[in-house]
Amino acid sequence: GDSVTQMEGPVTLSEEAFLTINCTYTATGYPSLFWYVQYPGEGLQLLLKATKADDKGSNKGFEATYRKETTSFHLEKGSVQVSDSAVYFCALSDRKGAQKLVFGQGTRLTINP
Amino acid sequence: GAGVSQSPSNKVTEKGKDVELRCDPISGHTALYWYRQSLGQGLEFLIYFQGNSAPDKSGLPSDRFSAERTGGSVSTLTIQRTQQEDSAVYLCASSPGQGPPLHFGNGTRLTVT
Repeated sequence: GDSVTQMEGPVTLSEEAFLTINCTYTATGYPSLFWYVQYPGEGLQLLLKATKADDKGSNKGFEATYRKETTSFHLEKGSVQVSDSAVYFCALSDRKGAQKLVFGQGTRLTINP
Repeated sequence: GAGVSQSPSNKVTEKGKDVELRCDPISGHTALYWYRQSLGQGLEFLIYFQGNSAPDKSGLPSDRFSAERTGGSVSTLTIQRTQQEDSAVYLCASSPGQGPPLHFGNGTRLTVT
């Protein structure tokens, strides 16, 4: 079945460092891809998405490009801030609809000042 | 409220008892989703409501699980005759229309002893 594999955490970086969180997927067909973020004490929220190959999703300085040839959707940010400390989840849509998502395990990111 | 609200935040129950978990979605959101996260697992889709349409129940793991949504707003997830493997964090999410969940609640942590 469909699956998502994320870079294992925790990841610790200094402020202003470059961030990459790897995400690869296995799916039948052409799924949509998502990144969710969970800030401390809050529920998950959708961060960005891409619905077809070569699409780039972006939000709050984060970007991820849908790479069909490598089945990847890596999350990147050029200069992280302490406020980016959170747990990040990569997900793909079930081919039947985007309401039924398959999630990765989550990657905890800590940014030190 | 401003976000998705779930209650209770924690629930401890004895094996064999029934439990009810409640979700208050963001006002005006027509789509409501239930997911669960078991220890060491990613989020797992349970059920999806969209407006007045029949719910997508394809993720419910057994007939002990059921959910309803009254008046297109509040939803209740019921687990009958709880088992230890039901122990997990149960998450509710909502969205203004079709597609992926936008905002999740903080979840209900269910422990079956």
